[in-house]
Amino acid sequence: GENVEQHPSTLSVQEGDSAVIKCTYSDSASNYFPWYKQELGKGPQLIIDIRSNVGEKKDQRIAVTLNKTAKHFSLHITETQPEDSAVYFCAAFVAGGGADGLTFGKGTHLIIQP
Amino acid sequence: DADVTQTPRNRITKTGKRIMLECSQTKGHDRMYWYRQDPGLGLRLIYYSFDVKDINKGEISDGYSVSRQAQAKFSLSLESAIPNQTALYFCATRDSRAETQYFGPGTRLLVL
Repeated sequence: GENVEQHPSTLSVQEGDSAVIKCTYSDSASNYFPWYKQELGKGPQLIIDIRSNVGEKKDQRIAVTLNKTAKHFSLHITETQPEDSAVYFCAAFVAGGGADGLTFGKGTHLIIQP
Repeated sequence: DADVTQTPRNRITKTGKRIMLECSQTKGHDRMYWYRQDPGLGLRLIYYSFDVKDINKGEISDGYSVSRQAQAKFSLSLESAIPNQTALYFCATRDSRAETQYFGPGTRLLVL
């Protein structure tokens, strides 16, 4: 089945700097890659996603890149702000795959230092 | 997401007790999921349901059972709670025509 590795587990950056979270996946049939943000006391919320036919997608200060050959994808947050502090999860989806297709990484705790 | 609600939000129970966590959704999605979240372990799938008559075990189903009473409702039961079931539990939904899952706010469970 699919295996998703996420790094780092904790990331601390200065406010205003950029943050990058990386994920690798094992199943080359995976074709959809969402990123979720989980704030304290809340459920994970989708913030951006990318499909396998696209190499990069951007939405204001966040962007996701996908390298299908290397089977890795990354979340980039620029000009970080205090409200970016949260746990971020990557995931990979393969149609017809186990667990109804979606496998999550173990999460990255992003800390924005003032 | 207010479209997916979970009750209760917090629960303290004792070892051996039976408890039920409930999830309701107004998104009209056919698929529903129960996850467990532990620090450092991410989100692990307990059970998932394609529709009212289709229930499937996930990665960690032992010690849990579920009931899909209607398309909009999916309940998770711990028949005899044990301390290592202390965790944060999330319900999620998905439209089978799309890939995105939408999560509820979670239930924090403490088993003493």
